[in-house]
Amino acid sequence: GAVVSQHPSRVICKSGTSVKIECRSLDFQATTMFWYRQFPKQSLMLMATSNEGSKATYEQGVEKDKFLINHASLTLSTLTVTSAHPEDSSFYICSALWVAKNIQYFGAGTRLSVL
Amino acid sequence: KQEVTQIPAALSVPEGENLVLNCSFTDSAIYNLQWFRQDPGKGLTSLLLIQSSQREQTSGRLNASLDKSSGRSTLYIAASQPGDSATYLCAVPHTGTASKLTFGTGTRLQVTL
Repeated sequence: GAVVSQHPSRVICKSGTSVKIECRSLDFQATTMFWYRQFPKQSLMLMATSNEGSKATYEQGVEKDKFLINHASLTLSTLTVTSAHPEDSSFYICSALWVAKNIQYFGAGTRLSVL
Repeated sequence: KQEVTQIPAALSVPEGENLVLNCSFTDSAIYNLQWFRQDPGKGLTSLLLIQSSQREQTSGRLNASLDKSSGRSTLYIAASQPGDSATYLCAVPHTGTASKLTFGTGTRLQVTL
């Protein structure tokens, strides 16, 4: 299957700092990428849809100013957790949509721990 | 709003057993349904994708069925192996979309020696 690279795989930061997570589609151009959040022993919750060249679409209850998404190229979307707090600690997973197949390919995830 | 439920939440079986995981969804107007595998602390691996027009898909020891009218899907794993131990998630697109996914609650499978 296609490869989606997510970096970093793990990050530990102090409360109040900002953290950027990158999601790269290596095998195909992705005009649409998705960002999910997963709490321990829970399922994935869609946070936002990242659209190349336009603003991201956020799901209800997700703070736009807290989770900044930039999709500046057809192969890269970034999620920045601004002014991170301990409650933002979670597992963040991105996916890239291969439109012709209508299949999402997932990154390996980023575990964020905010101290 | 689409809701997806998986039963059981956890399952432990001895190696070699056949097993069935269940997934139910509230809105039957779906484009497709996917089954994923997630190992602890890892991302997702897509196992099977069933289009709305299909009733089942097979890949190796895995067979997934789809009954749209009743809002149900099953994942059948034949001759289970310890390497099958993982969390299995089903997902369907959000109501009215083809790509935004709603995930089920997952089934944690443990296959013992």
